[in-house]
Amino acid sequence: EADIYQTPRYLVIGTGKKITLECSQTMGHDKMYWYQQDPGMELHLIHYSYGVNSTEKGDLSSESTVSRIRTEHFPLTLESARPSHTSQYLCASSHRDSREKLFFGSGTQLSVL
Amino acid sequence: AQTVTQSQPEMSVQEAETVTLSCTYDTSESDYYLFWYKQPPSRQMILVIRQEAYKQQNATENRFSVNFQKAAKSFSLKISDSQLGDAAMYFCAYRKNQFYFGTGTSLTVIP
Repeated sequence: EADIYQTPRYLVIGTGKKITLECSQTMGHDKMYWYQQDPGMELHLIHYSYGVNSTEKGDLSSESTVSRIRTEHFPLTLESARPSHTSQYLCASSHRDSREKLFFGSGTQLSVL
Repeated sequence: AQTVTQSQPEMSVQEAETVTLSCTYDTSESDYYLFWYKQPPSRQMILVIRQEAYKQQNATENRFSVNFQKAAKSFSLKISDSQLGDAAMYFCAYRKNQFYFGTGTSLTVIP
């Protein structure tokens, strides 16, 4: 039913590296989101976009940045990864006609050493 | 501010039995949406059930139903005839302009 893809599924990198987490959806959804998920914690919204060239920061302060040049693509970039960035990152999308339903990707588990 | 509270970090249920997962939320809004999402281990999070706050009737989806108490700001999920495939993390979520999620309840189904 849902076609939203995240790559990579797992990523282990060293401190100071620049990384980009990819998220793509083939459903033509206008709204896309990035959430950070840690064990035993609620999902925290870190970025969202309501359309091309529209991006906003979420409730959780994040050193990451996002872009939305195409409807289907919503990558998240960390310019200089730190151990505190270790977490699971979930991408999601929704459409105004989808009755507020969120579709999630499989997530990227990031470990920064 | 909107917050979602799931007071049960872990729950277990015997296969074929019924289990209820609790969720409360805080809001000053009168019109909003509530959801239960399921996240199986290492798999995508998927929608289980959805409730519009303006509807008094409790939502049902096959074996899944909710008990929505608007005045009490309570939104519990009942799973009937539990199956092994129901084992997962369950997240309660509230949406007005954005989604707000609870901390999740890990459900174990005992064969």
